[in-house]
Amino acid sequence: DAKTTQPPSMDCAEGRAANLPCNHSTISGNEYVYWYRQIHSQGPQYIIHGLKNNETNEMASLIITEDRKSSTLILPHATLRDTAVYYCIVRAVTSGGSYIPTFGRGTSLIVHP
Amino acid sequence: GAGVSQTPSNKVTEKGKYVELRCDPISGHTALYWYRQSLGQGPEFLIYFQGTGAADDSGLPNDRFFAVRPEGSVSTLKIQRTERGDSAVYLCASSLRPPSGRGKEAQYFGPGTRLLVL
Repeated sequence: DAKTTQPPSMDCAEGRAANLPCNHSTISGNEYVYWYRQIHSQGPQYIIHGLKNNETNEMASLIITEDRKSSTLILPHATLRDTAVYYCIVRAVTSGGSYIPTFGRGTSLIVHP
Repeated sequence: GAGVSQTPSNKVTEKGKYVELRCDPISGHTALYWYRQSLGQGPEFLIYFQGTGAADDSGLPNDRFFAVRPEGSVSTLKIQRTERGDSAVYLCASSLRPPSGRGKEAQYFGPGTRLLVL
């Protein structure tokens, strides 16, 4: 099963780019990488996903390395409201045999003024 | 459109009592998931429904936990003989299609129910 490794915490100045790294060295060839974030006292929120090409949407950009062993989520102009825990996820197989998103502890991003 | 809703938002109960937590998924989403989140941890998978049936309940911690989705939409998570260790945020999520190893199905989460067992 693919696992992910993220730094436990990061901080970023408001208005600057926040670059959140994730290692997923055991990812399989056709597994997608997903990013979610969780603002305090709310449920996780889907941000973006990708397979092997870089992706961009209104929330963020996702850069996946050519070997797919790592990725970086980029928030181009971080705001105070981007302060949250960011989860990088590759689906893992449960003991029941399903591919279910498995959340680690994520990266706690603090955006400061 | 309407997102995933969960009720109640907060629940305080006494040890040994029975509780029910409700999840109303996004309309048309066939897959529904329950997670549990303890303080400082990421969400932990409990059970997943595809339609009316529990496709995978391998994350349920013991037989005090049970969930149903009788009409393939609303789901209820039931906890019998609650213990203090059951205190957590219980999250529900739904996705348009079932999960797969190669899939690209995003999950959409509700706000959670905060359960406190005294």
